[in-house]
Amino acid sequence: AQKITQTQPGMFVQEKEAVTLDCTYDTSDPSYGLFWYKQPSSGEMIFLIYQGSYDQQNATEGRYSLNFQKARKSANLVISASQLGDSAMYFCAMNHNTDKLIFGTGTRLQVFP
Amino acid sequence: DTGVSQDPRHKITKRGQNVTFRCDPISEHNRLYWYRQTLGQGPEFLTYFQNEAQLEKSRLLSDRFSAERPKGSFSTLEIQRTEQGDSAMYLCASSSGPQRAPYTEAFFGQGTRLTVV
Repeated sequence: AQKITQTQPGMFVQEKEAVTLDCTYDTSDPSYGLFWYKQPSSGEMIFLIYQGSYDQQNATEGRYSLNFQKARKSANLVISASQLGDSAMYFCAMNHNTDKLIFGTGTRLQVFP
Repeated sequence: DTGVSQDPRHKITKRGQNVTFRCDPISEHNRLYWYRQTLGQGPEFLTYFQNEAQLEKSRLLSDRFSAERPKGSFSTLEIQRTEQGDSAMYLCASSSGPQRAPYTEAFFGQGTRLTVV
């Protein structure tokens, strides 16, 4: 069965520090995509970063990078230089040959001054 | 283009009543998705349209739920005879891409929060 696991219900980080949010996945399909979304209190899901299963390099988007370890089936999100506005829920998700996304339970990140 | 738009943002209804939500996707996006998110959980897939064709429905979508996308543009999600367990955030998303393209970024709306009392 396809599954996303996020084991950190909550994380705290000081402003300007880096933080890693963990994500592991389970699938038997060799072709898949991995995504991270941010959900602020307003409710909208904001796309952050994408990694394809065949991509050789780790994805990066500004302060976001995805630490993709295929053998371990992990896709951790690294946020560098945290900002107060980064405080939100973060969801890891996966899709296969259809576009429907399978989400994890999320990690609540709180950035403090 | 202002992104994916959902209406209403909040809905309170009495148990047993019918409710309908609307989603306007990003212009020219041919794919549209509905998800449901309960408190403390990630979104769960409900159904998916490619243009006006409903291609996939989750087992979560009971007979009381129906979704349409009549002209391949906006979509509606109707819940009949609402139950307290239907209380959740209903999220709509849209994406573009040829059929069978697996890696397409989905853009989400702000959701409709349903409370059944």
